[in-house]
Amino acid sequence: DVKVTQSSRYLVKRTGEKVFLECVQDMDHENMFWYRQDPGLGLRLIYFSYDVKMKEKGDIPEGYSVSREKKERFSLILESASTNQTSMYLCASSSVLREQFFGPGTRLTVL
Amino acid sequence: AQSVTQLDSQVPVFEEAPVELRCNYSSSVSVYLFWYVQYPNQGLQLLLKYLSGSTLVESINGFEAEFNKSQTSFHLRKPSVHISDTAEYFCAVSDRAGGFKTIFGAGTRLFVKA
Repeated sequence: DVKVTQSSRYLVKRTGEKVFLECVQDMDHENMFWYRQDPGLGLRLIYFSYDVKMKEKGDIPEGYSVSREKKERFSLILESASTNQTSMYLCASSSVLREQFFGPGTRLTVL
Repeated sequence: AQSVTQLDSQVPVFEEAPVELRCNYSSSVSVYLFWYVQYPNQGLQLLLKYLSGSTLVESINGFEAEFNKSQTSFHLRKPSVHISDTAEYFCAVSDRAGGFKTIFGAGTRLFVKA
């Protein structure tokens, strides 16, 4: 069974902390994505990567960075967490066929 | 730039009634179209997709969607819904020609009542 896993389902952090969200896929997909999901706004793309060590900004990259050192792993980093980054974070991967496979999500609360 | 509009944020419907979730997109190029479903406390999963060929596509659980190029629409339909169809549904579009970005709509919450 194909799978995208995320390191935490729920996370609570304090303002100013550095936060790491990790995502691993077992489908040998080239492309990986990080989204945040907020009510009424759908999914908004933060960053994506189409190859190891390659990254592209999405629509809302401010306050975030990413790392892709291995094909199966894509990490999202919040350098200094702020309360407006409280959200659901979804990781996904896809092949050239564009269908995206999603992880279960991490609900991050920043206090 | 591409965009996706889901015209209804919430759709309440009684069990066994038909339902249509509306999706319109804007794009100047050829596109791939998708519907994803998100059950409570889960990630999204693909429901159905249009890549090419027949404009009517179906899912294994009775949903169907029709690609209408002239109206730039990809509405999702089911003739008879079940309680278990209660979920949030997202329409999405991806440019055929370049890149791997997919643009998602804001979502439609389908609530099936007994």
